[in-house]
Amino acid sequence: AQKITQTQPGMFVQEKEAVTLDCTYDTSDPSYGLFWYKQPSSGEMIFLIYQGSYDQQNATEGRYSLNFQKARKSANLVISASQLGDSAMYFCAMRGLNNAGNMLTFGGGTRLMVKP
Amino acid sequence: DTGVSQDPRHKITKRGQNVTFRCDPISEHNRLYWYRQTLGQGPEFLTYFQNEAQLEKSRLLSDRFSAERPKGSFSTLEIQRTEQGDSAMYLCASSLGQGARTGELFFGEGSRLTVL
Repeated sequence: AQKITQTQPGMFVQEKEAVTLDCTYDTSDPSYGLFWYKQPSSGEMIFLIYQGSYDQQNATEGRYSLNFQKARKSANLVISASQLGDSAMYFCAMRGLNNAGNMLTFGGGTRLMVKP
Repeated sequence: DTGVSQDPRHKITKRGQNVTFRCDPISEHNRLYWYRQTLGQGPEFLTYFQNEAQLEKSRLLSDRFSAERPKGSFSTLEIQRTEQGDSAMYLCASSLGQGARTGELFFGEGSRLTVL
């Protein structure tokens, strides 16, 4: 079984500042993948970034980076230079890499609000 | 637009009625997923298909729910005898499955169901 915990229901950040969204996970799978998705008010889940459990380096995609600490079972998302358009729900998710179905298990989400 | 499309986007129905949602995945994706998302929560897995075969169903999928993907392309999710607890956003996603390094899911904008 897999479990994702996001302890911050809501976060505020000033425009142009960086923000960290927390994610901890629990799994018995020896290898797994971690994902972050953004869900704006339109409802569509937008893939942001991926981290494999055996990847040597922390993942980065533009302004998004993933602070992966395997021993702590955490995969925090860092958004640099926040923009007003970053205001949305953010979900951390994972799947076991032996999971043939590719099903993702999601956390409860964090609502990020960017202040002008 | 070549993304995942869902129809209808919104459905309001009375308790006891049947409803059907349709999902058209990205054309080259052989895997299709249904998730349910209630207000303020992360998406919960319902079921997934590889081509036309339904390979896994969550315990959340009661006998009143049925999903099909008859030709391995579009899928339908039917809810019979709707209950107020069925009110949620129903998200469809597709993926390439094997061969994709990250295996991220591509989501549609969802179908929001309100049961009165």
